[in-house]
Amino acid sequence: QLVLTQSPSASASLGASVKLTCSLKNGPSTYAIAWHQQQPEKGPRFLMKLNSDGSHIKGDGIPDRFSGSTSGPERYLTISSLQSEDEADYYCQTWGTGIQVFGGGTKVTVL
Amino acid sequence: QLQLQESGPGLVKPSETLSLICTVSDGSISSSSYYWGWIRQSPGKGLEWIGNIYYSGSTYYNPSLKSRVTISVDTSKNQFSLKLSSVTAADTAVYYCARHRRAVAGPGYLDYWGQGTLVTVSS
Repeated sequence: QLVLTQSPSASASLGASVKLTCSLKNGPSTYAIAWHQQQPEKGPRFLMKLNSDGSHIKGDGIPDRFSGSTSGPERYLTISSLQSEDEADYYCQTWGTGIQVFGGGTKVTVL
Repeated sequence: QLQLQESGPGLVKPSETLSLICTVSDGSISSSSYYWGWIRQSPGKGLEWIGNIYYSGSTYYNPSLKSRVTISVDTSKNQFSLKLSSVTAADTAVYYCARHRRAVAGPGYLDYWGQGTLVTVSS
């Protein structure tokens, strides 16, 4: 059973950077994921697909402040130059043969 | 730019069937490059995958909901739909429709979301 694990919360000051982690259990080390952002009281928005080699495909209009990276089995989302509108929940997503899995989400607070 | 719009009753009685439609605009549901899906989010909770469908009608369902879920597609209307039977209060959630890129073995990552629609299960 594929399980994606995310830290429940993260925080950083306005203008600083924050790095979110997504980890896969019981899956291949070469797995790809997608990152999604959900601002308060809004639906989710696709940020990027992140491959195991660190290459990524961003969604429409996603600023350069959002970047993805990998290290071994970990997948990361870094938000640079934090802005107030970046305060949101961030979910990672992966997929297998006919299944979809979401992480529990990380709530980012901008201090 | 692709748009997905959910529609359907906002209130469903316990034991009845929840029915929603997703209308796809500015894109063809019959494209071989995509799957279409439903995801829900209970109040204050995370995202839960419900299932996916291809334009040909092939489906994948979350095993925990499979016995109660039916997803179908109407290519002539550029729509796909969700039916969830025997609902209880635990099915109260915001329901989202979405587009998935086709992967090697079925639906892959999700790249467009609908705005979501709240469905409350209550008598």
